[in-house]
Amino acid sequence: GQNIDQPTEMTATEGAIVQINCTYQTSGFNGLFWYQQHAGEAPTFLSYNVLDGLEEKGRFSSFLSRSKGYSYLLLKELQMKDSASYLCAVSDSNYQLIWGAGTKLIIKP
Amino acid sequence: ETGVTQTPRHLVMGMTNKKSLKCEQHLGHNAMYWYKQSAKKPLELMFVYSLEERVENNSVPSRFSPECPNSSHLFLHLHTLQPEDSALYLCASSQDWGSGSSYEQYFGPGTRLTVT
Repeated sequence: GQNIDQPTEMTATEGAIVQINCTYQTSGFNGLFWYQQHAGEAPTFLSYNVLDGLEEKGRFSSFLSRSKGYSYLLLKELQMKDSASYLCAVSDSNYQLIWGAGTKLIIKP
Repeated sequence: ETGVTQTPRHLVMGMTNKKSLKCEQHLGHNAMYWYKQSAKKPLELMFVYSLEERVENNSVPSRFSPECPNSSHLFLHLHTLQPEDSALYLCASSQDWGSGSSYEQYFGPGTRLTVT
C-alpha cells in the first residue's frame, strides 16, 4: 500500500529552528509537496521538490532524498504565526496526491 | 484570498436530509477536487474533475454525488448521510491534472459538515 509518515505533533520555541520529517512509500513518485494549514483554514502551498536536494524559500526550506523516501521541512527563526499543521503529500505514478496526516507544530514563547 | 470559495462554511444536517456543497474557483484552472478531512487523518481524495470530466472516483459511497457544470464550479450533493460522514469537506483546484506534471493545488476554506 501507499503510506506517508510524519510526526503527529512537535513543540518548538519562538526564534528557534525546527525540522519536520516525512517518509513515504508510494507506487511511483512525481514530486513531494509541503502545505501549511492553520486551524480552521485552508491548506496553503509551501514547497514542491521533485529532484534531490534542498530548496530554500525565505525562512522555510525543504529537502528531498528520493533514494531514502525521505523529506523534511525546515523552519528557521520561528514565529508564533508558524503554529499550524504541516502536511506532506506525494504525487504518485498517476499524479494523485497521497497525503500524510499532518504534523501539528506548537510554538511557545 | 486563495481564489477558491466554498459555501456554506458550516452545515448541520439530519441523516434524511438532502443538501449540496458549492465550490467556485476564480483562477482559470482546469482541474477541481473534493477532499474529506477528518481529525488526525490524512486528506482523503474523493473526486477529481479535469476539464469538467470526472477522472477519479476513489470508492466513495453513492450518498455523495459530484457535479461539475463548468470548469469554474463544482458541487457535492449529499443525501442520507451517516454520522461518520461528519468532517471538513475541502474543495481544491489546480492548473491541470496529470499531463505529465504535478500541479500545486489551491484550496478553499472548507465546509464543516455535521450529520446528526
